[in-house]
Amino acid sequence: EADIYQTPRYLVIGTGKKITLECSQTMGHDKMYWYQQDPGMELHLIHYSYGVNSTEKGDLSSESTVSRIRTEHFPLTLESARPSHTSQYLCASSGQGNEKLFFGSGTQLSVL
Amino acid sequence: KNQVEQSPQSLIILEGKNCTLQCNYTVSPFSNLRWYKQDTGRGPVSLTIMTFSENTKSNGRYTATLDADTKQSSLHITASQLSDSASYICVVSDRGSTLGRLYFGRGTQLTVWP
Repeated sequence: EADIYQTPRYLVIGTGKKITLECSQTMGHDKMYWYQQDPGMELHLIHYSYGVNSTEKGDLSSESTVSRIRTEHFPLTLESARPSHTSQYLCASSGQGNEKLFFGSGTQLSVL
Repeated sequence: KNQVEQSPQSLIILEGKNCTLQCNYTVSPFSNLRWYKQDTGRGPVSLTIMTFSENTKSNGRYTATLDADTKQSSLHITASQLSDSASYICVVSDRGSTLGRLYFGRGTQLTVWP
């Protein structure tokens, strides 16, 4: 069982609001990732981190930002949400030399 | 272009029956291939990881095969159960970076009926 947690599970907000999606893992993993997934489509990498104070943009252009101040915490922030941001956001982590990805349960975001 | 294609897109089977899901990829260079199970509204869970030298790996009723020459993989599910209803995602990793870039398929949606 993976020890990686995302909150909230569901979020409905209005356009223009600032939101932060939380992701925490208790496995001590160095690598953490944020993916975006639309129904029936593949996962797209939007941000990743090798460790504390290390963050990089992924393949999918995103207006979100991330921070990695602590090993266990990797929050994602949208400064001004738009309907095009409606999607499922999945956080994942992997350990040193361990190829296996552990995923959180996801946050389903709906922007009205 | 590096791609991962899965078939079929969706599949319905009766409880107790076997099924096989397919994954074809064009990712190069190749590092490993993973199969994940994703229940509706949840994050994916790892089933198997196979490297170039492995051509079969099992995890309970799930058996994955890999043919690195033809760049094909299959996931065989034996004696299906209702709880097997989920999306099964094929993921291929390359060796192009220290991170090991991951290429995701769109998944096969499996429904098991009683």
